[in-house]
Amino acid sequence: QQQVKQSPQSLIVQKGGISIINCAYENTAFDYFPWYQQFPGKGPALLIAIRPDVSEKKEGRFTISFNKSAKQFSLHIMDSQPGDSATYFCAASIVNFNKFYFGSGTKLNVKP
Amino acid sequence: DTAVSQTPKYLVTQMGNDKSIKCEQNLGHDTMYWYKQDSKKFLKIMFSYNNKELIINETVPNRFSPKSPDKAHLNLHINSLELGDSAVYFCASSQRHSGGTEAFFGQGTRLTVV
Repeated sequence: QQQVKQSPQSLIVQKGGISIINCAYENTAFDYFPWYQQFPGKGPALLIAIRPDVSEKKEGRFTISFNKSAKQFSLHIMDSQPGDSATYFCAASIVNFNKFYFGSGTKLNVKP
Repeated sequence: DTAVSQTPKYLVTQMGNDKSIKCEQNLGHDTMYWYKQDSKKFLKIMFSYNNKELIINETVPNRFSPKSPDKAHLNLHINSLELGDSAVYFCASSQRHSGGTEAFFGQGTRLTVV
């Protein structure tokens, strides 16, 4: 049973556009929601993360929107650039348990 | 300096062989993990160690055996390799802090069983 469901599987966006990736979870005990970015041949790297006590977190062009009642969170990439082309993973964890559940990944392709 | 390093980066071996992947972290973290990434890019946790103690052991064949000689190292030994073991294996480490837990991943080991 997948703990975190991610969509879409792949996404093509024009340069300058907005990329939106969505995730949903079931376990209300989750209290930490990071997004990871993975380039080909590399390990995932933390991009941005949010705790459930806030509804939005912004870092540069990257924003997480969090809806606790709907148990959904999303990543918005504003002014998408070709260099953003990568696979993005959402994740959820219970901080005290140190265990991450990853979504299935979204392959983003930003066209120049 | 690489924070989480794993060796080798590529590993090609025949079915039935035994192989090991090594991982070291220089971040001073107390928790280390092994993840398996299949051809569809899905990341699945295999094991987690905290201060050399096994705390998570997902449903993984017992041909896979992790070993943590100290807090900075977590190795993965695989016996009797099968075709289905072909995947990219990632080592990671993490430390809890007030904002959450950030996991740092190694570059991965691409294992190909022929």
